[in-house]
Amino acid sequence: KAGVTQTPRYLIKTRGQQVTLSCSPISGHRSVSWYQQTPGQGLQFLFEYFSETQRNKGNFPGRFSGRQFSNSRSEMNVSTLELGDSALYLCASSSTGTARTDTQYFGPGTRLTVL
Amino acid sequence: AQTVTQSQPEMSVQEAETVTLSCTYDTSESDYYLFWYKQPPSRQMILVIRQEAYKQQNATENRFSVNFQKAAKSFSLKISDSQLGDAAMYFCAYKGGSEKLVFGKGMKLTVNP
Repeated sequence: KAGVTQTPRYLIKTRGQQVTLSCSPISGHRSVSWYQQTPGQGLQFLFEYFSETQRNKGNFPGRFSGRQFSNSRSEMNVSTLELGDSALYLCASSSTGTARTDTQYFGPGTRLTVL
Repeated sequence: AQTVTQSQPEMSVQEAETVTLSCTYDTSESDYYLFWYKQPPSRQMILVIRQEAYKQQNATENRFSVNFQKAAKSFSLKISDSQLGDAAMYFCAYKGGSEKLVFGKGMKLTVNP
């Protein structure tokens, strides 16, 4: 089975622009979660989608949004980019969406640099 | 809110030796899962081992084993026969009633030849 894939792997944007990141989960997985990783804040949960519905959301401003498609692929959008949005964005997928029993498997991440 | 603490930011071990990485967590939930993830320089987050809180038996995966002390809210990872490929950042993580993982700050493990 192919793993979680994320595109693009690297991205450079300037302040004020917007960006869209994509994540394709493991085949058969219906839950997709997004995390932001920075040296200062560590790994922080952004949001989780299950069956095209946002089920959980972390403490991030409304500039961060996402969606999930019927094939479980997910996109994350960040509008009006700020320097502090520079980070590694990780996507993780899990199978049934049953909260406690699932294990999340991660993609390679998208490295976003905001200049 | 749940919290995960990894108090040692860095550790080193000699190749073939054993090292233990510590993790403590705080929660009021009784049913949860704990994980150790490894992040090598490639940045790919790789699952090392997981423990179900209702299971008293400690999980093992080849050279990796955990010491889970539920009452003490402690979840340490033991790596036996350390190999150069074990060098990475190691993250302890908690998952309870929500789908999200709560991570510790991570610990950098260096393996010396």
